[in-house]
Amino acid sequence: DARVTQTPRHKVTEMGQEVTMRCQPILGHNTVFWYRQTMMQGLELLAYFRNRAPLDDSGMPKDRFSAEMPDATLATLKIQPSEPRDSAVYFCASGPGGNQPQHFGDGTRLSIL
Amino acid sequence: RKEVEQDPGPFNVPEGATVAFNCTYSNSASQSFFWYRQDCRKEPKLLMSVYSSGNEDGRFTAQLNRASQYISLLIRDSKLSDSATYLCVAPLGGQAGTALIFGKGTTLSVSS
Repeated sequence: DARVTQTPRHKVTEMGQEVTMRCQPILGHNTVFWYRQTMMQGLELLAYFRNRAPLDDSGMPKDRFSAEMPDATLATLKIQPSEPRDSAVYFCASGPGGNQPQHFGDGTRLSIL
Repeated sequence: RKEVEQDPGPFNVPEGATVAFNCTYSNSASQSFFWYRQDCRKEPKLLMSVYSSGNEDGRFTAQLNRASQYISLLIRDSKLSDSATYLCVAPLGGQAGTALIFGKGTTLSVSS
């Protein structure tokens, strides 16, 4: 089965460090989404792309977060500088568009010390 | 009113029980809905899609009430393996190709 692939699976780093998370969407999917999940807030949409163009990143703290899709097989989410409150699980999802649902990667578990 | 609201539970039921979860949504333009299941420390996985009045898949039945803007998920003959968090999902822009808004989830615990 085709899957969304995320790397790294786990990341522990000190505050102030740059963090880069990567996502390879399912081949042929033209929409890519970044979500963050915490116990308190649940799943929050950070940003999403259609055909590599950013459509909405209003859920993302602009001063420290950035999301890009350099090509159709790679989406990145960067945090610089990282802060302890960024600790969460970050999920990438992709979908074929239209009325079809999204499929999630395994997530990146991020801990900022 | 929040976009998608769910009763967080937890719902604690014995094996074999029937359990129902409700979910309300605020965007009347939404046309398709989903139920995802999330196991502890795992990613959400699609359980069911709801495109019209409802959908049935084995022990699981999802129903949609557009007039009242709610979706329900019914699980019959609960199994231990049904223990998970169930996320109600509505598209932000009305179609699934846009971003999905997730409810906070309803936790189900099935015991023997």
